[in-house]
Amino acid sequence: SQQGEEDPQALSIQEGENATMNCSYKTSINNLQWYRQNSGRGLVHLILIRSNEREKHSGRLRVTLDTSKKSSSLLITASRAADTASYFCATDTGGGNKLTFGTGTQLKVEL
Amino acid sequence: DAGVIQSPRHEVTEMGQEVTLRCKPISGHNSLFWYRQTMMRGLELLIYFNNNVPIDDSGMPEDRFSAKMPNASFSTLKIQPSEPRDSAVYFCASSSWGAETQYFGPGTRLLVL
Repeated sequence: SQQGEEDPQALSIQEGENATMNCSYKTSINNLQWYRQNSGRGLVHLILIRSNEREKHSGRLRVTLDTSKKSSSLLITASRAADTASYFCATDTGGGNKLTFGTGTQLKVEL
Repeated sequence: DAGVIQSPRHEVTEMGQEVTLRCKPISGHNSLFWYRQTMMRGLELLIYFNNNVPIDDSGMPEDRFSAKMPNASFSTLKIQPSEPRDSAVYFCASSSWGAETQYFGPGTRLLVL
């Protein structure tokens, strides 16, 4: 079953705008990760945030984690057309590297 | 590094036929994962191996599916007999034991007619 539910399912923005995606999960986690999937390709790891962290940055990416609400958000600042992809959250609940993926958000960045 | 390699990239077969998907993990990685992605069910973990040993196969849908990892550089996922509902994209991913991130292959797009 899906551990993570993502919101929104689809998001369309203009280049230069910020994009925010949210992920909710059900059980306690060791860490939460975000992956990107371009159309027809495999998933690519973007960023990882541990359960004892509240915020993390990597380039134009900002991830927050609220373990009390069992939720995370991914912010992409100053979006580019190349950011068009599906974004998935994945939770590690400590079962030996095993990840459970969310339903994904389809982001479209228009010129 | 070549990354995770999967073959074939596309497979079209008829119902009842045997299908074998192949994966070569990144050299030095000792955890390997098989996923299935469909529009209806999203990305599902089917099975994963650590040091060539299957650890969790609870996601394997039924006995028609089997997976092996005879050595550290090769794994197969077999479907016998295949059914139209098996149509999906199958991904292989690998990671180092203890490392938390996974590296995905390009996937095999399977269509069962």
